[in-house]
Amino acid sequence: DVKVTQSSRYLVKRTGEKVFLECVQDMDHENMFWYRQDPGLGLRLIYFSYDVKMKEKGDIPEGYSVSREKKERFSLILESASTNQTSMYLCASDRRQWGSEAFFGQGTRLTVV
Amino acid sequence: GQNIDQPTEMTATEGAIVQINCTYQTSGFNGLFWYQQHAGEAPTFLSYNVLDGLEEKGRFSSFLSRSKGYSYLLLKELQMKDSASYLCAVTRDSNYQLIWGAGTKLIIKP
Repeated sequence: DVKVTQSSRYLVKRTGEKVFLECVQDMDHENMFWYRQDPGLGLRLIYFSYDVKMKEKGDIPEGYSVSREKKERFSLILESASTNQTSMYLCASDRRQWGSEAFFGQGTRLTVV
Repeated sequence: GQNIDQPTEMTATEGAIVQINCTYQTSGFNGLFWYQQHAGEAPTFLSYNVLDGLEEKGRFSSFLSRSKGYSYLLLKELQMKDSASYLCAVTRDSNYQLIWGAGTKLIIKP
């Protein structure tokens, strides 16, 4: 059974904290993505990685960074959490080819207080 | 620019048919996806269209017209479990990334 696993389902952090969200996939996929999902806005791409140590900024990278040291693991880092980063964060992976089905993790609902 | 539009919410009756539309504008096109997302869960793949026409998969069908920048998802014999959000996504012009619509929340009534 294919799987994308995110480290936490729910997370509450304080403003200014450094936050790490971890994502692991077991499908040997080249591509990995971090999205945030907010009501009425759909999925917005934060960062994308197409290979180990390779990353590209998405539409809303400000305030975030990523790390991909191993093919199966893609981490999202909030350098200094702010209340406007309260959101649902979704990790996804797929093969590096057109039409490839993306598989999503169960999501992390992050609340910054 | 690049943009995707789909209705925010639709309501349908159990056993009926519903069509969810998606219009898009992109600088490049390499296919259109539909995903289903139940409340509190991850999106799951439904369909992928890259050529014009209708693709049928059980109770679900997806249609694409590239010249019109238009797609629809057709759900037949609606069941209560079809209550979910349906997300339309279009490939960007590079790097296999997707642009996502805001999703259509489908409410099924008995």
